[in-house]
Formats: sequence, structure tokens, C-alpha cells
Amino acid sequence: AQSVTQLGSHVSVSEGALVLLRCNYSSSVPPYLFWYVQYPNQGLQLLLKYTTGATLVKGINGFEAEFKKSETSFHLTKPSAHMSDAAEYFCAVTETGANSKLTFGKGITLSVRP
Amino acid sequence: GAVVSQHPSRVICKSGTSVKIECRSLDFQATTMFWYRQFPKQSLMLMATSNEGSKATYEQGVEKDKFLINHASLTLSTLTVTSAHPEDSSFYICSAIWTVNTEAFFGQGTRLTVV
Repeated sequence: AQSVTQLGSHVSVSEGALVLLRCNYSSSVPPYLFWYVQYPNQGLQLLLKYTTGATLVKGINGFEAEFKKSETSFHLTKPSAHMSDAAEYFCAVTETGANSKLTFGKGITLSVRP
Repeated sequence: GAVVSQHPSRVICKSGTSVKIECRSLDFQATTMFWYRQFPKQSLMLMATSNEGSKATYEQGVEKDKFLINHASLTLSTLTVTSAHPEDSSFYICSAIWTVNTEAFFGQGTRLTVV
């Protein structure tokens, strides 16, 4: 079984500040890890993913995440927040060899203050 | 990336009626589609997995007779909410994959309101 924990439900940062959204996972086999962004009343857009290889992955819109197996973490970061980053962010996991059935965390709302 | 189109984006229906939601993969053949339900301020909960040409696999606690899923072609899956009630009001999202372990592409979601 697999699970995702996203601590907290809301993060607020100032424009230009560092964004850090935390994600911890549990998986009995090597995982594939994902971060998705959701804008109001819209579907999910993939920000980035980790499958194998380099543990630091870069995604769209300046986001990146690092897979740390020892910490079972996959935290999402962005050096400088922009107003357009305000949205809901979901971390998700699927087991390698699975059929891409994703297990999502509960999500974190990111607010960006001017 | 590939495009998955979901229709309608919003629907309001009367209690007791049925509503059909379509999920189409526009530029690839989707062997598998997933249907999720999302309550306000909550995560996506997988309802069922549908493979083209076979019966859908429902997650525990999801009523298969209430949420009918059909995946008749490689580009179309439908979710029909039968005899809808206000508690079925929610945001429904589909995703599609080409084959095992490929990236899942999401539709834009359908906001269902049952009055």
C-alpha cells in the first residue's frame, strides 16, 4: 500500500519569497512521485515527476523537487514566488510496475501576498 | 503534453435524474482511464479504473450501480451518475494513460450540482 502526507493545508508566502511545499510518502516498492497544480475549477496539470535517475527534478514554471529516499520525501520548491503560483498543489505517488494508479495527498493551498 | 477533454465542465440536474460525463483523449489512444471525485478543499479520491473493452474496477465503497462507467473505445470513457442526489454533488475528474506506467493526463473536470 502507498500513501502521501502533505502536512498543513495552507501556505502563504510573499511575492519573491521561497516556496517550500512538503510531501512525504510511504511505499513498499520504489515509487514514482509527482507534483500537480490545480487552479480553481480546473483539472490537474503536471508540474514535475520523479521516476528513476537524477533525484533533483526540474519542472515547469521554475519549480523543482528532490527525491530523498532516506527521508521518504519529495518536497517542492521554487526560489521566488509569483502571484500566478497561487493555486492548490497535490503530491502523488504510484508504485513502479503499477498501472499509473495515483494516490494523492490531501493538497496544499498556496497563497502569494503582494 | 497530450490532451484529455472532459464534457460538460458544469452541469446542474434535478434530484433523481441521471447525468453522463464524457472523458475523451483527443490525440492518443487511452487504454486506461481513471475517474476521481474531489470534495471541496479535499484531495482526489479514485472512484474506478476503466480499461477499454472491459468492466471497470471500482474502489472500495464506490457504488458501481450508481456510478456507471463505460469505456467502449480507446478514446472515450463515460461516467453516468444514476438517480443523482444532492450528496452526489462534487467535482469529477478523469485521467487517461496510453499504457502501463505512462504519464496520466487529466481532464479539466466536471462540476456536478444536484438540486
